[in-house]
Amino acid sequence: ETGVTQTPRHLVMGMTNKKSLKCEQHLGHNAMYWYKQSAKKPLELMFVYSLEERVENNSVPSRFSPECPNSSHLFLHLHTLQPEDSALYLCASSPLQGAWGYTFGSGTRLTVV
Amino acid sequence: AQSVTQPDIHITVSEGASLELRCNYSYGATPYLFWYVQSPGQGLQLLLKYFSGDTLVQGIKGFEAEFKRSQSSFNLRKPSVHWSDAAEYFCAVEEDSSYKLIFGSGTRLLVRP
Repeated sequence: ETGVTQTPRHLVMGMTNKKSLKCEQHLGHNAMYWYKQSAKKPLELMFVYSLEERVENNSVPSRFSPECPNSSHLFLHLHTLQPEDSALYLCASSPLQGAWGYTFGSGTRLTVV
Repeated sequence: AQSVTQPDIHITVSEGASLELRCNYSYGATPYLFWYVQSPGQGLQLLLKYFSGDTLVQGIKGFEAEFKRSQSSFNLRKPSVHWSDAAEYFCAVEEDSSYKLIFGSGTRLLVRP
């Protein structure tokens, strides 16, 4: 248990489905992140939330829609995905002060069929 | 802009041998530096971090890293590798003394029996 919990751990969805990934932390952190990790590719930062406000969106397609209703929860809503979106999606959180680094969840393994 | 380079994509060592994983960064001031480990299908776990003081930092699982300002390096070491150390290792630098991290592309460690 890392302090950041992601659900579900595995998800298989069709290209026409709508699903959501959930991330939860009770570490008192005020920044939360979504990363995509594909096979043989570097970590790709998707979104950054600071105090529940989106502060970074790295050219992510609109079929990915993040939501941060409070500082403890982060969602990634998925719709009309493509097979190339299959990947490990990692959530992380951190304090807003520097020098602490991130705490990562265990990830959601997404397969789009 | 800051960047992190991990020049080795793969490294193979024999069990019981020593290990050094390389990390170079570009940053003008003294950076905050981190090493993370990721087992297959899992999230990233913090091994150790450096932000001031002694340039040799100790981490979990018997790892250590040394900050060398003159070489802009933060190499990770372990005196004797165990089979369970087989994983991917990521070096990261904190961006502009903010809370956001920049990750290297990772080094995959394989351990020979």
